Amino acid sequence: GAVVSQHPSWVICKSGTSVKIECRSLDFQATTMFWYRQFPKQSLMLMATSNEGSKATYEQGVEKDKFLINHASLTLSTLTVTSAHPEDSSFYICSARPGGDYGYTFGSGTRLTVV
Amino acid sequence: AQSVTQLGSHVSVSEGALVLLRCNYSSSVPPYLFWYVQYPNQGLQLLLKYTSAATLVKGINGFEAEFKKSETSFHLTKPSAHMSDAAEYFCAVSSSGSARQLTFGSGTQLTVLP
Repeated sequence: GAVVSQHPSWVICKSGTSVKIECRSLDFQATTMFWYRQFPKQSLMLMATSNEGSKATYEQGVEKDKFLINHASLTLSTLTVTSAHPEDSSFYICSARPGGDYGYTFGSGTRLTVV
Repeated sequence: AQSVTQLGSHVSVSEGALVLLRCNYSSSVPPYLFWYVQYPNQGLQLLLKYTSAATLVKGINGFEAEFKKSETSFHLTKPSAHMSDAAEYFCAVSSSGSARQLTFGSGTQLTVLP
């Protein structure tokens, strides 16, 4: 089946540093990928839609200069949290649509802790 | 615009009892509906999906859901709960745009009591 691989699974970084999260489609091509953020005990909030070869589409209220998205190939999208602060600590999940049956496949998520 | 409402943020059932997790949707076009399960610190796993075919959808791990247009509902059921079913469950609806992004409900935490 379609697999989305997300790395790293968890990361701890210092305030002010940047962190890059990778999302790869392993056995299919994804022209579109989605990035979500999930706070503890809450639902997933769509942050942005990543489009291969073009700019990402950000949801209202999401700072595009803080959350940089790059989708340079049909199998890789990256989310970079720039100048991270403790309030950026969260669980980030990516997703893609393998196509055909309208299903969505999710990565395993990245737990980011900013100290 | 599309939205999903999950009634009950927490549901507790005894092992072997019926599981019923409620989901109502709002959509201006025929929706695609999904149920996902999430275990702690993990991504989401698809349980089942409705994409305008049969209204009774069977998924993995013994779960099923019925699409009822008249009630705008897509409730998730399982005849007999197992301890391993304890997790967070999300109902979701896809948009009608070409990107078909998902909109999630607020989630329901299922606890299975021994």
